[in-house]
Amino acid sequence: QQQVKQSPQSLIVQKGGISIINCAYENTAFDYFPWYQQFPGKGPALLIAIRPDVSEKKEGRFTISFNKSAKQFSLHIMDSQPGDSATYFCAASTLTGTASKLTFGTGTRLQVTL
Amino acid sequence: DAGVIQSPRHEVTEMGQEVTLRCKPISGHNSLFWYRQTMMRGLELLIYFNNNVPIDDSGMPEDRFSAKMPNASFSTLKIQPSEPRDSAVYFCATREGGTGELFFGEGSRLTVL
Repeated sequence: QQQVKQSPQSLIVQKGGISIINCAYENTAFDYFPWYQQFPGKGPALLIAIRPDVSEKKEGRFTISFNKSAKQFSLHIMDSQPGDSATYFCAASTLTGTASKLTFGTGTRLQVTL
Repeated sequence: DAGVIQSPRHEVTEMGQEVTLRCKPISGHNSLFWYRQTMMRGLELLIYFNNNVPIDDSGMPEDRFSAKMPNASFSTLKIQPSEPRDSAVYFCATREGGTGELFFGEGSRLTVL
């Protein structure tokens, strides 16, 4: 059972454009929604995260928008740069319990062209 | 800190052989996770430990897979016997406490011929 659905699978954006990646979740108990960025040959690394008590969180050019009623959240990359070319994973988990586990989306491969 | 250290980085083996992947967590991190990444299935959680105790191994695909964490500084993921469909990148990730950021190693790329 896939609890976090991510789209699109791949995305090509011109330099300076806006990249948008969407995720939807099913489990209403989820209360922590991070995005991870992965470069080829490396492990994923935390990019930005949000809790459901806010609808938006911005860090530099990266913004998470969160819609609790629709059970959806998205990553926006403003002024996309070639260095942003990577695979992006959304994830979700609960924050309660001694070892809450992250469920990842299937990933979006972003390519930013010159 | 050196981060999460995984070895080997690359492993090529023949079907039927035993494979052992190793992970050294970040000092002080008491939660450890093993993930498998493939193009078809993305990042799958195989098993995770909290304070060296396995909490959930429901993601382990078969009895051929086993994982141990004998102490806070070391974990292994073993596949015996290995099969071509086990070919993937295996990641170890650790976390301080029960919530928050996961820190991933650089992965072990396994190819089973």
